[in-house]
Amino acid sequence: EVQLVESGGGLVQPGRSLRLSCAASGFTFDDYAMHWVRQAPGKGLEWVSGINWNGGSTNYADSVKGRFTISRDNAKKSLSLQLNSLRAEDTALYYCAKGKLYDFWNEDDAFDIWGQGTMVTVSS
Amino acid sequence: DIQLTQSPSTLSASVGDRVTITCRASQSISSWLAWYQQKPGKAPKLLIYKASSLESGVPSRFSGSGSGTEFTLTISSLQPDDFATYYCQQYNAFSPYSFGQGTKLEIK
Repeated sequence: EVQLVESGGGLVQPGRSLRLSCAASGFTFDDYAMHWVRQAPGKGLEWVSGINWNGGSTNYADSVKGRFTISRDNAKKSLSLQLNSLRAEDTALYYCAKGKLYDFWNEDDAFDIWGQGTMVTVSS
Repeated sequence: DIQLTQSPSTLSASVGDRVTITCRASQSISSWLAWYQQKPGKAPKLLIYKASSLESGVPSRFSGSGSGTEFTLTISSLQPDDFATYYCQQYNAFSPYSFGQGTKLEIK
């Protein structure tokens, strides 16, 4: 079964850090780009970051650039997101999502597999 | 960055209705657009990619069309399982990915 399982969320104070993980199974992990997408409570979807198949290319939303770092370990079939300098507006459910292709920006791209998300709450 | 605007924000319809949701991009994105369905408490589900390609396993009552800056998602005959929130997403070259604000499809 194709599956993505996120972990690492929790309650954290503003300015602190957190590391999210996503464990993949059921597909050849290193054949695909991977992404993080977040959803604040009661709000819409916001793309956060993406990484290509070998980690050689990464991209970030302006709202997190310089604070968040995406990485992957293909041997462990694992995707990570390091969240630093957290703010109240980073409070959201963070989803891990699989791209349809090995890299970004192709007309056949989209996010075809999603995890169930891990909740991050930033509050003092 | 490219902005996506969906209309309407809320849509009330009945089982069996034909419904259309529109997504407009702030600049041309060719056909680099996807549509997702999200139900409460669940992760989004991919319906359409490349503006009009139906994802495997998605019922044929869902269809997408458009190119450039205007796109539509059509459900030909609404089923009870279709009441959900729908999002468009663009992935145009060298631009950050982005989503529309969502359209909530409600039972009339």
